[in-house]
Amino acid sequence: NAGVTQTPKFRILKIGQSMTLQCTQDMNHNYMYWYRQDPGMGLKLIYYSVGAGITDKGEVPNGYNVSRSTTEDFPLRLELAAPSQTSVYFCASSYRGRGSGNTIYFGEGSWLTVV
Amino acid sequence: AQKITQTQPGMFVQEKEAVTLDCTYDTSDQSYGLFWYKQPSSGEMIFLIYQGSYDEQNATEGRYSLNFQKARKSANLVISASQLGDSAMYFCAMREGRGSQGNLIFGKGTKLSVKP
Repeated sequence: NAGVTQTPKFRILKIGQSMTLQCTQDMNHNYMYWYRQDPGMGLKLIYYSVGAGITDKGEVPNGYNVSRSTTEDFPLRLELAAPSQTSVYFCASSYRGRGSGNTIYFGEGSWLTVV
Repeated sequence: AQKITQTQPGMFVQEKEAVTLDCTYDTSDQSYGLFWYKQPSSGEMIFLIYQGSYDEQNATEGRYSLNFQKARKSANLVISASQLGDSAMYFCAMREGRGSQGNLIFGKGTKLSVKP
């Protein structure tokens, strides 16, 4: 009953370092997303993917890259980390269907601090 | 203009009482979906309830119900018989149109505190 799994849960990065947040889902969902949540705010979309091999930018893509080589995996790459990227990151997935099948399911979040 | 507006940054409710969390939305699409998520202090996002724009009945899921008023573009969450475990942030979100990437647009949230 895994759902959406993202790792690591916590990470401290130094300015200029790079890292990859891993995300995998076992629900055979075609849509996958990366969001960030800044303190006291709702979630904002970084990147999304509608299927393997297809990715596109969301609202706040600068400083990030993604890839989608399989249906299950959607890693998020941070290049040259900056303090402005200190945030909580959520990976999510959904099946593009009607009704409540549209529901987007979230991973447990990854707390990233850049110092 | 904000697409999802939650006007209550914080709310208090007495245990066992009902509470309504407000949400208004803005869209020109005819087909859209409205969602409520709960985020406890542990941080995860928990799906609560969904309402489709063409659904004629208000959605209900256990103690949660969605008061959907399409003409007013509002989708308020009603929690009946509040419990201490309901203390959390609550986010209203919208998913627009069949042709979109299916992204959820979130409001800024309402922090609900349940008093014993």
